[in-house]
Amino acid sequence: AQSVTQLDSQVPVFEEAPVELRCNYSSSVSVYLFWYVQYPNQGLQLLLKYLSGSTLVKGINGFEAEFNKSQTSFHLRKPSVHISDTAEYFCAVSEWGTYKYIFGTGTRLKVLA
Amino acid sequence: EAEVAQSPRYKITEKSQAVAFWCDPISGHATLYWYRQILGQGPELLVQFQDESVVDDSQLPKDRFSAERLKGVDSTLKIQPAELGDSAMYLCASSPSGSGGTGELFFGEGSRLTVL
Repeated sequence: AQSVTQLDSQVPVFEEAPVELRCNYSSSVSVYLFWYVQYPNQGLQLLLKYLSGSTLVKGINGFEAEFNKSQTSFHLRKPSVHISDTAEYFCAVSEWGTYKYIFGTGTRLKVLA
Repeated sequence: EAEVAQSPRYKITEKSQAVAFWCDPISGHATLYWYRQILGQGPELLVQFQDESVVDDSQLPKDRFSAERLKGVDSTLKIQPAELGDSAMYLCASSPSGSGGTGELFFGEGSRLTVL
């Protein structure tokens, strides 16, 4: 069965500093990978997704992620964060050919002034 | 821009009462999901519909939860009776047909349930 692990429950970072949010997955078949962002009391919004091709994926709001098949990772990065990036970030995986999406437990990014 | 509509946004109820949540997905989206998100955790799938058929309800506590999507469009999630541990955000999401799991999920703003 597929699973997603986000080891960091909280990541504090100062404004304009770089950040990396880690995501590792486990699956016996090929997967699609996603990062979503959730602001307080709202639903989730897609940041970016990896389906195939280039392992470096760029998304909205200046975020990017790199798929590493050998390490089964899909870490999210941003070179310079803003206060408005403060939110909860979720990594998700779906197996090829299915419509089933599994989410990690989330990482709370707190950007400090 | 099309959105997934959910209601109510907030619901406070006492334990043992019945609760219902409604979701209207984006027009044309055949796949509809109900997720439960406990505070500080990620969304967990409760039930997945393809049109009006249930595809996966393996994590739905069927002794108290029920879900339906009678005409393959909007959906209702019911809890009866509600328990203290049901306090959570209930998220509805939809996905276009034919995406095979490649497409994004479009989420509603959620229904936050508090059981007293």
